[in-house]
Amino acid sequence: EAGVTQFPSHSVIEKGQTVTLRCDPISGHDNLYWYRRVMGKEIKFLLHFVKESKQDESGMPNNRFLAERTGGTYSTLKVQPAELEDSGVYFCASSHPGQIYEQYFGPGTRLTVT
Amino acid sequence: GQQLNQSPQSMFIQEGEDVSMNCTSSSIFNTWLWYKQDPGEGPVLLIALYKAGELTSNGRLTAQFGITRKDSFLNISASIPSDVGIYFCATRLTFGEGTQLTVNP
Repeated sequence: EAGVTQFPSHSVIEKGQTVTLRCDPISGHDNLYWYRRVMGKEIKFLLHFVKESKQDESGMPNNRFLAERTGGTYSTLKVQPAELEDSGVYFCASSHPGQIYEQYFGPGTRLTVT
Repeated sequence: GQQLNQSPQSMFIQEGEDVSMNCTSSSIFNTWLWYKQDPGEGPVLLIALYKAGELTSNGRLTAQFGITRKDSFLNISASIPSDVGIYFCATRLTFGEGTQLTVNP
């Protein structure tokens, strides 16, 4: 069974530019989550999809962040325009239908905004 | 919002030593989870606890769900070099800041 994959693994962009991160969850996992970790801090929840619907987006920092999961398969997280404080590692995770606690994480995308 | 206080922030130990780390909160939770993150990888679930007082082992790892439901600890016995990494406690969607473990051979 393939794990959660994320693309790209690293991205370096300038302030004001746009970046789109992609996550492919484990096949059959209806639940998909986005998290962010700023260096040395906690892994912070951003949002949770159940299939293509946003179940909880309470962690999204502001309207510069847009997450989509068209068709209920892969998801994208777009940051536009990027700010310096958006730098960090963005993790995607997925879990079985009905199981929200035991999540499988991808390797993360390290975003650096200069 | 909810906050998990994880300690220590970092630990430097010799191979073979036992390790203990813990997580506390001012809120009551129904689930405590412990993850490990290896360098360049995402966190991997080690142990899930669902009942107050529950003590669960996974090889050399032992974790307990505190009776007050506000805390949990993780012990690693007889550490080995591959135990190096960042250990996170979590409850549902909230994570602690992590404990960076370094094991010297």
